[in-house]
This record gives sequence, C-alpha cells and structure tokens, in this order.
Amino acid sequence: AQTVTQSQPEMSVQEAETVTLSCTYDTSESDYYLFWYKQPPSRQMILVIRQEAYKQQNATENRFSVNFQKAAKSFSLKISDSQLGDAAMYFCAYKSNFGNEKLTFGTGTRLTIIP
Amino acid sequence: NAGVTQTPKFRVLKTGQSMTLLCAQDMNHEYMYWYRQDPGMGLRLIHYSVGEGTTAKGEVPDGYNVSRLKKQNFLLGLESAAPSQTSVYFCASSEPYQPQHFGDGTRLSIL
Repeated sequence: AQTVTQSQPEMSVQEAETVTLSCTYDTSESDYYLFWYKQPPSRQMILVIRQEAYKQQNATENRFSVNFQKAAKSFSLKISDSQLGDAAMYFCAYKSNFGNEKLTFGTGTRLTIIP
Repeated sequence: NAGVTQTPKFRVLKTGQSMTLLCAQDMNHEYMYWYRQDPGMGLRLIHYSVGEGTTAKGEVPDGYNVSRLKKQNFLLGLESAAPSQTSVYFCASSEPYQPQHFGDGTRLSIL
C-alpha cells in the first residue's frame, strides 16, 4: 500500500517570503499523480497543484511550484511571495494510475503567515 | 454552479442512533468518494463508487454503509453511531484521471 508522509506538522513564514513544505511517499508503482491540497479555516479542500509522475518537468501554478524528485520519492511545495491568504493546512496526496482513483493523504502541514 | 453539496453541514448524535449523510454532485462525475478527517491523521477513504449502482470499501469502512442509486448522489450511512465516528466527513467526485472536487464537509459529533 502507498503511504504519504509530511514530516512538518507546522511551518511559519514572513509575508512576502518563500516557504517550502515537504512531502515524501512510498510506492512500488511507476505511474501515478501527486497533489497538493489547501484547506483554509473554512474547511474547503482546494486543489493547489498536481504533478504527473511520468513528466520530468516540475509543475507550476502562479506562486506555487513543486520540486518533484521521483527517484527520491519526494514532492515538496514551494510558495513564493507568501500572502496572508495562504495561511491554511496543506495536504500532500498520492493517486495511482491503476485502479480506482482513490487518494492517499499525508497528515498535513499547518502554515502560518506572519504579517 | 453548486459542484459537490453535502447535507447536513453539522449534526450531533447520541451513541446508537442512525443517520445518513447525503452527497450530491452536479458535474455528472462517474466517481464519488467518502472520506473522514480526524485531527493529526489527514483524510482517510471510507467507501467509494466508480459508477451508478457500484460501491467499494476504502481504507476505513467498518461501521459505515453506502449506496449510489443515482449517479449524482452518494449516501453514507451510520447504522449505530459510536463515539469513534466523531469526525469531519468529506465527499468528493471526479472523472477518471481528473482531480477530485470536494464538498465543504459535515462535522459529526457522537455523544
């Protein structure tokens, strides 16, 4: 079974600075997706970014980018120019491309933005 | 454009009571999922469905049942609620190979 590990329960960053959230995963599969979801206090689960394992190029969405290291099974999220609205829980998630599309989540990292 | 709608948003039950959580999606998605979120544990899959009339067990299915009689609806049932089922429940839907869309969650407390 796949597992996803987020080793940083909490992180903080000054507004306008850059922060990196870590995620590692364990799988024997070669074809899969990785995701970062944001959960603000409103409790919504919002997709931030996704990465397809067979693509070597790191995904980018505006201020959010990932560092995907397939051999190391690492998938970190970098947030540039941090804003107060980025404060939230961030979850890393894994999805196999074989079978039922279910997501396996990490335990989350709570990100605080310091004004 | 509602997306994924969960009903109710909040509920308090007594141990042994039963209830049904309703999830409705208006995106014509094939796949639907029920997750629970507990403090410090992330989201865990309870049951899922890959199409109308189909259901399957996820990671933590015990104590729950589900039904998907219509493509747009996915029901999660608790037959005899237990305090260990106190949690926030999320429904999600997706098309194959596409990201999941989540509802806003249901906070369930069992006393």
